[in-house]
This record gives sequence, C-alpha cells and structure tokens, in this order.
Amino acid sequence: GNSVTQMEGPVTLSEEAFLTINCTYTATGYPSLFWYVQYPGEGLQLLLKATKADDKGSNKGFEATYRKETTSFHLEKGSVQVSDSAVYFCALPLNTGNQFYFGTGTSLTVIP
Amino acid sequence: DTGVSQDPRHKITKRGQNVTFRCDPISEHNRLYWYRQTLGQGPEFLTYFQNEAQLEKSRLLSDRFSAERPKGSFSTLEIQRTEQGDSAMYLCASSIGGQNIQYFGAGTRLSVL
Repeated sequence: GNSVTQMEGPVTLSEEAFLTINCTYTATGYPSLFWYVQYPGEGLQLLLKATKADDKGSNKGFEATYRKETTSFHLEKGSVQVSDSAVYFCALPLNTGNQFYFGTGTSLTVIP
Repeated sequence: DTGVSQDPRHKITKRGQNVTFRCDPISEHNRLYWYRQTLGQGPEFLTYFQNEAQLEKSRLLSDRFSAERPKGSFSTLEIQRTEQGDSAMYLCASSIGGQNIQYFGAGTRLSVL
C-alpha cells in the first residue's frame, strides 16, 4: 500500500540556514502529496501540497517538488527562522478513501 | 470557520476505566477522521465518517475502540477498559468530501495510569 519514508531528526539549524527534509514515497498511481507542520501544543496544519508529478507546492517560504523519477517530495526552505521550529510530517492518501498515511515526523529546532 | 474543536484537551484515567472524547468538525465538512499519535510518531489513521456513515473502521486498534457520529455533525471516540498502551494523543480531522485537505484539531492527550 501507499507509504512514505521520512528523514529522521531531530534537526537543529541556525537562523537563516538552508533546510532540507527528505521524504520518499511508495504509491499505487500518483496520489497527491502533502507536508503538514505541527507547532508545539497545536494540531497539525497543512503546509503545502502537490497534486501531480513535477508540481511544486509552496507556502511561507517552504517548497517541495513532486518528483516521479526519484519518488521524492523533499521539503526545502532557503532561510529558516526561529518561528519555523516545529515537527514536519510528510503524508499521502492511503489506497482508498481520503485517510492519510503520515511519516514519522522530523523535529526542527532553529536557534538564533 | 472556527476550526476543528476537540474536548477534553487532556484526560487522565485509571486502567480499566472507559473514556470518551468529542470532536466538533468545521461546520460545512461532511468527512470526519480519527487518528492516534504516539510520542515520536506520525498520526495513525483509526476510522472515518462521511456524514453519519462510518465508512472505514478496520483500522480501529481493537474492539475496545468505537466511534460514532450520530447526526453527521460532532463525533465521539470511546475507549473501553483502558490500558496503559492506550496512552497517546487522539486527533480529529475534518474535510469536505472529494477534497484531500484535512483540517486537524489540537487533539486530546490521554494518560492511562
């Protein structure tokens, strides 16, 4: 069935550093791919999505490109801020319905 | 749009007791989902509803777990005879049918002593 494998953390970066969080997927067909973010004490929020191969999702300076050739959907940001400190989850729909399969999450801490 | 609301935010119970959690989805959303999240893991899908119909429940963790959405609005998740292994964050999400974006509540954290 559909699944994702996500880069393990935790990741600690200095402010303004470049961020990459790796995510690879296994899927039947070409489902939409998602990144969710969970700030401390809050629920998950959709960060960005891509619905087909070569699509680029972007939001709040984060980007991820749906790459069919490498079955990847890596999350990137050119210059992280302290406020980006959170846990990031890669996700995709399971084979049927709209229930999601989430990766294990990558914790990011940005220090001033 | 007031977001997805979950109640209570925290629940502490003794092993063997029953607990019930409530989720109020975004008002126009007809799909409602329950997930469980343990420490250091991503959310794990449990069950979902479209309106009042429970369309998938095979991933509920055991027969001690049950969920209802009697009028197609709010939902409840009940765990009977709780065990220490049930300690986790229980998340609710909702969506508009046919769209993939799910909106999550802040969760109910269960601690079983």
